[in-house]
Amino acid sequence: GQQLNQSPQSMFIQEGEDVSMNCTSSSIFNTWLWYKQDPGEGPVLLIALYKAGELTSNGRLTAQFGITRKDSFLNISASIPSDVGIYFCAVYAGKSTFGDGTTLTVKP
Amino acid sequence: KAGVTQTPRYLIKTRGQQVTLSCSPISGHRSVSWYQQTPGQGLQFLFEYFSETQRNKGNFPGRFSGRQFSNSRSEMNVSTLELGDSALYLCASSLVGSLYEQYFGPGTRLTVT
Repeated sequence: GQQLNQSPQSMFIQEGEDVSMNCTSSSIFNTWLWYKQDPGEGPVLLIALYKAGELTSNGRLTAQFGITRKDSFLNISASIPSDVGIYFCAVYAGKSTFGDGTTLTVKP
Repeated sequence: KAGVTQTPRYLIKTRGQQVTLSCSPISGHRSVSWYQQTPGQGLQFLFEYFSETQRNKGNFPGRFSGRQFSNSRSEMNVSTLELGDSALYLCASSLVGSLYEQYFGPGTRLTVT
């Protein structure tokens, strides 16, 4: 089945630093999504991307999927402790397929 | 608006038993999807229901089944439980016009002993 490769698997950063994470696919998708999951909770949709090459922002979060429609990135600027969690990329084609996640740890 | 609710939140069952999990979607959401989340396999799609009909199904054995009621509430059932079925089971609901924007519940943590 379809696989999404997320990198890095985990990140340890200092509060205030910027963060960047990526997601790649071997197939083309026209809808890319980024979710965040806190411990003990279900994933929460952060950003939905519908247009290749277009930057989409949500507060300190910025995301885009490439013109090849096979990759996407998520940037977080000026990280804060509550950014801690697991970030998942996902694609939608009749159903959602999720990457394995990037675990973010923010040190105060 | 209330979010997606799932009951129970925690469940311990014995191998060979069966279990039923419940999901109440956000009011007005008619699509409900179920996912299994494990450390080894990540988030895996189980099935999606819309207007009481299963629209999509993931690659899981027939022991996993589900249904949706006329009020959009959904249940999933796992029969003949195996140790490997221990997981967090997540339900997500979405609007007809934006099926990709899924709103997840907190999940049911199932432990099979």
